[in-house]
Amino acid sequence: DQQVKQNSPSLSVQEGRISILNCDYTNSMFDYFLWYKKYPAEGPTFLISISSIKDKNEDGRFTVFLNKSAKHLSLHIVPSQPGDSAVYFCAASDPNFGNEKLTFGTGTRLTIIP
Amino acid sequence: GAVVSQHPSRVICKSGTSVKIECRSLDFQATTMFWYRQFPKQSLMLMATSNEGSKATYEQGVEKDKFLINHASLTLSTLTVTSAHPEDSSFYICSARRAEGGEQFFGPGTRLTVL
Repeated sequence: DQQVKQNSPSLSVQEGRISILNCDYTNSMFDYFLWYKKYPAEGPTFLISISSIKDKNEDGRFTVFLNKSAKHLSLHIVPSQPGDSAVYFCAASDPNFGNEKLTFGTGTRLTIIP
Repeated sequence: GAVVSQHPSRVICKSGTSVKIECRSLDFQATTMFWYRQFPKQSLMLMATSNEGSKATYEQGVEKDKFLINHASLTLSTLTVTSAHPEDSSFYICSARRAEGGEQFFGPGTRLTVL
């Protein structure tokens, strides 16, 4: 049972434009959400996170939006740069596990076209 | 920064042998370390959570006798794949969390290929 879903396995965006990556979840107990970026043969690196008490968090070119009623979050990258090409995973944590256990989505491969 | 290393980065072994993977937090103390497994084009699946000085907590469906986890110190956790089989071939990633809590920092991963 995939509790965190990223329905788009891949996305191509022109350099300079906005990249929007989407993530849906089914477990209403999740209260903290994270986005990770992963290059091939490397571990994920943390990008940005959001608590369920917020609906938006911004850090430079990265903004995460959370719609709790829809159980949906999205990551916006603007402007997109070639170095943003990677696989992006969203992850969620459940306070019942002390927010330690992360449940990951299946990832979206973002390709920025120069 | 918070750096997590893994060793080896790549290992090829024969079926039936055991393989040990090390995960180290280089510049911080990690009371909790996590072991994940990733199959090609799939998500990272949590295998187990290990706390320093205590037994690891395994996720449902993960064989504790096959995947031995030891968290001997605040900077080192090891995963031993015992009697490896080709279906154990995968990308294994560890992460570590600071003693004071917060985000997980991931290692670079270990590619295991069992022939």
